Amino acid sequence: DAKTTQPTSMDCAEGRAANLPCNHSTISGNEYVYWYRQIHSQGPQYIIHGLKNNETNEMASLIITEDRKSSTLILPHATLRDTAVYYCIVRMLNRDDKIIFGKGTRLHILP
Amino acid sequence: KAGVTQTPRYLIKTRGQQVTLSCSPISGHRSVSWYQQTPGQGLQFLFEYFSETQRNKGNFPGRFSGRQFSNSRSEMNVSTLELGDSALYLCASSLGDNRPGYTEAFFGQGTRLTVV
Repeated sequence: DAKTTQPTSMDCAEGRAANLPCNHSTISGNEYVYWYRQIHSQGPQYIIHGLKNNETNEMASLIITEDRKSSTLILPHATLRDTAVYYCIVRMLNRDDKIIFGKGTRLHILP
Repeated sequence: KAGVTQTPRYLIKTRGQQVTLSCSPISGHRSVSWYQQTPGQGLQFLFEYFSETQRNKGNFPGRFSGRQFSNSRSEMNVSTLELGDSALYLCASSLGDNRPGYTEAFFGQGTRLTVV
């Protein structure tokens, strides 16, 4: 599976948009970009995924660059409950359900 | 609908003992995966079961094993426990259907195992 690079940590003011970048320069054409987050002491939570088009759901938006080498997860109005570690993952869908987690980005929402 | 349920939530065992952890997936989900999370190594994939068969395995010693029952419930077993096995063990379930929109994995709260 392709590897991803994320900043170790980020801060964001409550109420502002949190933009979390992810670099996946070696992504192949049939790999999807997935985002999960893990709030302290809980299991990871699925957020969103996409292939090449931008995606939006009730939790977040995912912006994937045209060359697919990077993406940004956007939490439009961050709250204190969004404080978590955010994992960017690339996966092929013609394989099993193995997920390779990196170190993720620790997002701190500041009051 | 009920989420992924892991039991027990907390466990303390002694070195050399064995332990069995249980995972009940979301109803209708046929794939169950297990992960180990430690502060040093992060989240690491252990193995995945689909329709009672192990479909993939991570790089863990043979002391770590698992199985899946016909109702998709899964158990993992660790034999001859070592201090380094202390970790949060997470179970995830999914439909196991590798089509877009059907691939999200849902995680349980985990079992925190402490080996003393």
